[in-house]
Amino acid sequence: QVQLVESGGGVVQPGRSLRLSCAASGFTFGTYGMHWVRQAPGKGLEWVAVIWYDGSNKYYADAVKGRFTISRDTSKNTVYLQMNSLRAEDTAVYFCAREIQQWLVNWGQGTLVTVSS
Amino acid sequence: AIQMTQSPSSLSASAGDRVIITCRASQGIRNNLGWYQQKPGKAPKLLIYAASSLQSGVPSRFSGGGSGTDFTLTISSLQPEDFAIYYCLQDYNYPRTFGQGTKLEVK
Repeated sequence: QVQLVESGGGVVQPGRSLRLSCAASGFTFGTYGMHWVRQAPGKGLEWVAVIWYDGSNKYYADAVKGRFTISRDTSKNTVYLQMNSLRAEDTAVYFCAREIQQWLVNWGQGTLVTVSS
Repeated sequence: AIQMTQSPSSLSASAGDRVIITCRASQGIRNNLGWYQQKPGKAPKLLIYAASSLQSGVPSRFSGGGSGTDFTLTISSLQPEDFAIYYCLQDYNYPRTFGQGTKLEVK
């Protein structure tokens, strides 16, 4: 069955960096686009970034553009989110999700990132 | 970026009730809209895609409608497991944008 497992979250100081990973299994990873979505504590969902199935295109939310980078490694069936210059407002649970024909069908359980001094 | 506005923000209802949640886009998005359900501490779950198509495994009491700028999610007869938060998401263009959510609570 499809599994997406996020890791890499934790507590980080403002201005520092963190890299999240999302390990995929149960499907042919290289044929699907992958997204990151986040949710601040007690708040709604916020779309963060997408990388196309072949890595040819990447798009970002305005709030993270220039600070976050999405990438993928097909040999490891893993998608990454490199987060630089972190701010308190980046504190959230970060979910990865698999896109099937535009729609976010499969989701991981999320990993919590806390930006605090 | 396209803004998605849901209403109401919260809704109290009882099991067996019919409820309708609406989502309005700040510009036309054709039928490029999905509805997601999220329960506390869990990842979102896709219910409806392409505005009105029921995702596999989702009960038929859920239905979606609309096109262009105005969309609805209808639950025909609420079940206890339906009390959750519901979000719309436009996939017409990037950046993708969610509505702010509708919390469906027990009356």
